[in-house]
Amino acid sequence: DSGVTQTPKHLITATGQRVTLRCSPRSGDLSVYWYQQSLDQGLQFLIQYYNGEERAKGNILERFSAQQFPDLHSELNLSSLELGDSALYFCASSEGQGYYGYTFGSGTRLTVV
Amino acid sequence: KNQVEQSPQSLIILEGKNCTLQCNYTVSPFSNLRWYKQDTGRGPVSLTIMTFSENTKSNGRYTATLDADTKQSSLHITASQLSDSASYICVVSDGTASKLTFGTGTRLQVTL
Repeated sequence: DSGVTQTPKHLITATGQRVTLRCSPRSGDLSVYWYQQSLDQGLQFLIQYYNGEERAKGNILERFSAQQFPDLHSELNLSSLELGDSALYFCASSEGQGYYGYTFGSGTRLTVV
Repeated sequence: KNQVEQSPQSLIILEGKNCTLQCNYTVSPFSNLRWYKQDTGRGPVSLTIMTFSENTKSNGRYTATLDADTKQSSLHITASQLSDSASYICVVSDGTASKLTFGTGTRLQVTL
């Protein structure tokens, strides 16, 4: 157990739908990062939050949004889902800006049918 | 464009043997280089992190090397075990969260 908790572990939904993925960071970590990993692809950075504020943004689609709450958990919202959104979504956390590395959760596998 | 290339793409070795995985990068500026182990369907787990001034770092049977001049890194696994079967990902950082560059990984299979 890495200390980073992601729920749900698996999610199957239809095209056009909206889903919410949840992440609880490791105790004491202020930064949360979201990554997408499509089949046989490298991890793609989506977005970072630090202590409730958006800190960095990657190649996140406009259909996707995220937030970090006062208790530091984070949610990634995916809407108007397409088949190509099927992927593993990972959350990672770090104490500061992640200079010394991140701790990853086990991921949420999203399947869009 | 920042890139991280790993080789080989996949590798099969017998249990107990050693192996070396390669990582070449063109990332600028350079902050640190990380090796992660990712089991199938699981999140990556950090093995080593090396900054510009470090050229070797070990974590048990895993030893990473870094040549910042040639922009190459290697991960050497000694006395492989079945549990080493996983993807090994090289990641280079320029110091900012949004600019981590991930390799696509080397898929290692250790067999009896």
